[in-house]
Amino acid sequence: GAVVSQHPSWVICKSGTSVKIECRSLDFQATTMFWYRQFPKQSLMLMATSNEGSKATYEQGVEKDKFLINHASLTLSTLTVTSAHPEDSSFYICSATPAGRPNSPLHFGNGTRLTVT
Amino acid sequence: GENVEQHPSTLSVQEGDSAVIKCTYSDSASNYFPWYKQELGKGPQLIIDIRSNVGEKKDQRIAVTLNKTAKHFSLHITETQPEDSAVYFCAASLHSGGSNYKLTFGKGTLLTVNP
Repeated sequence: GAVVSQHPSWVICKSGTSVKIECRSLDFQATTMFWYRQFPKQSLMLMATSNEGSKATYEQGVEKDKFLINHASLTLSTLTVTSAHPEDSSFYICSATPAGRPNSPLHFGNGTRLTVT
Repeated sequence: GENVEQHPSTLSVQEGDSAVIKCTYSDSASNYFPWYKQELGKGPQLIIDIRSNVGEKKDQRIAVTLNKTAKHFSLHITETQPEDSAVYFCAASLHSGGSNYKLTFGKGTLLTVNP
C-alpha cells in the first residue's frame, strides 16, 4: 500500500516552455504532498509543501512563480515549471503520506527527470 | 533549521560483511528519523524508520539505533548482498502526527557490495 506515482518519468523540453509534472497517490488520500528536487549525485532538497485546497508553502529561495503547484484533489498534486531554462534541469520527486494515519511514513514517487535544452 | 550530517559518503564492503552508516542532527526537537534507499534513476524507498521514544529498531538484516543525547543515529546492514548496493539517505524531522513531514536529508552514502 501507500503507492505514489509520478508522470512523466522523464521529459525533455525546449528553453522557454513550461512543463507539468503530476504526482498521484494511488491507494490513499493525501491532504499534503511534498515536492523535492535532486541534482546529480546530491541530496534531496525540499522545494515546497502542497496543501489540498489551499496555497502551497515554498521553501526559502524557491520561486513560487517559477514552480507553480496545484493540489486540486486529495490524490493529485501538480508541479509546473514555467519558462524552463537549462538550469532547471533536475530530478523532481514528490512524496506523500496517507491522511488520517498519524504515524504513517512518507512515501516517494519514482521521480521525473527534466532536461531543458 | 535542522542540519543532518552523514558519513561516510562512499562505502565498499564484501558480500556477507556488515555495513554501518552514521548520521548526526542538530535540532534536538527532531523526533523522527527515516532511512531511504535510492537506486539509480528511481525515487527513494523507505527501508526503516525510528522515532525518538525508541533507541533501536530492527527489521531482518537492517537495524537502526538512535542516541538522542548525542543527536546521533546509525543504519546497520548485516549479511550484505549485491542487491543492497545503492545510495542510502538518512533524514530527520520534527513530526507531531498528521501529514506534515518536513524532512531534512543527509548527503547520502553510496554503498557498493562486492560479490
